[in-house]
Amino acid sequence: EAQVTQNPRYLITVTGKKLTVTCSQNMNHEYMSWYRQDPGLGLRQIYYSMNVEVTDKGDVPEGYKVSRKEKRNFPLILESPSPNQTSLYFCASSLGTGRTGELFFGEGSRLTVL
Amino acid sequence: GESVGLHLPTLSVQEGDNSIINCAYSNSASDYFIWYKQESGKGPQFIIDIRSNMDKRQGQRVTVLLNKTVKHLSLQIAATQPGDSAVYFCAVRPKAAGNKLTFGGGTRVLVKP
Repeated sequence: EAQVTQNPRYLITVTGKKLTVTCSQNMNHEYMSWYRQDPGLGLRQIYYSMNVEVTDKGDVPEGYKVSRKEKRNFPLILESPSPNQTSLYFCASSLGTGRTGELFFGEGSRLTVL
Repeated sequence: GESVGLHLPTLSVQEGDNSIINCAYSNSASDYFIWYKQESGKGPQFIIDIRSNMDKRQGQRVTVLLNKTVKHLSLQIAATQPGDSAVYFCAVRPKAAGNKLTFGGGTRVLVKP
């Protein structure tokens, strides 16, 4: 089954404790992206990657890191989480150039930073 | 930059009626527009897209209309069903933005039986 898998789905952590949200897709997609969703603000892009070893900042990259060492995986790293990073996070992927709007989203990871 | 707004936060519609969800965008250089549906507890799901060289595109029970003159985008759902209850987002890609999409805040559609 074609899917984007995120882990963990739910996480409560404390300020400053490094965490990683994993994202994996099984569709051989070139393009992957991370979004955060907050009430009233819609989906905002954090980082995206056009292909392996190619990453770029989205609209709200501060406080986040990403890597793309393999085509299927695109982890989101919070080196020192803060309460304003409490949010619902979505990973998404698409075929790539010309098709980047047809995003396949994961089920979401709800993160709470205390 | 790009800002994307929606005309109504919530749309209540009778089952069987048609739904129209609207979206306004600010950047006239935007060239690609997409609608997503997000059901409760799930990630957004691609519905339909349209490029700036088109005014209208139809899918299964859905139609997207693009009015570039007034920078307005709409999604029409025919014969709305209970399964259409969800939050609908428009997303816009400015031509010079590479692969960055700007999402609107979402409209919740409630289908009444």
